[in-house]
Amino acid sequence: AQSVTQLGSHVSVSEGALVLLRCNYSSSVPPYLFWYVQYPNQGLQLLLKYTSAATLVKGINGFEAEFKKSETSFHLTKPSAHMSDAAEYFCAVSGGDDKIIFGKGTRLHILP
Amino acid sequence: KAGVTQTPRYLIKTRGQQVTLSCSPISGHRSVSWYQQTPGQGLQFLFEYFSETQRNKGNFPGRFSGRQFSNSRSEMNVSTLELGDSALYLCASSSFDSNTEAFFGQGTRLTVV
Repeated sequence: AQSVTQLGSHVSVSEGALVLLRCNYSSSVPPYLFWYVQYPNQGLQLLLKYTSAATLVKGINGFEAEFKKSETSFHLTKPSAHMSDAAEYFCAVSGGDDKIIFGKGTRLHILP
Repeated sequence: KAGVTQTPRYLIKTRGQQVTLSCSPISGHRSVSWYQQTPGQGLQFLFEYFSETQRNKGNFPGRFSGRQFSNSRSEMNVSTLELGDSALYLCASSSFDSNTEAFFGQGTRLTVV
């Protein structure tokens, strides 16, 4: 079975600062890993995904994530935060049983 | 290519009533999953359908049910509504199996009064 833990339900960063959203996963099989973003009253939009190719995955809007098997982590980063990045971010894992399991989400606040 | 379409976008129902939500997946996608999103519980998996068969089910009571039609469109039904069923219900479709990326609709906001 798979599970996902997102550290921090709320993260605040200043505009222009580094964004780091943490995600740790558990999976008994090689996982597929995803980051999704949700803006208010919208569905989820895929930011990026890891499917066992390159361990550093680049996504949309300048985000990237690095798969670290030894740490069972898939943290999301962006070098410079923009006000438009304020949203809720979900890490998700899938593998073996055709289900995608989501973390509880991290709400990112951008301070002017 | 049209995205995932959920109807209606907003719904207000009274306790005890039943409700049916609809989801039209991206053309060619055969897997449809449903999620309930609430502030307290986050995103919770309801069930997943693939080629008209329920392939996975989350931990929800039997009042929550779903089905998928031959054209991959899916419906979910909630009977005997409770106040706690108020949530954003999200539908996601994927092309082959759930291990590929899921594309989400905008959701149906259900309010039970």
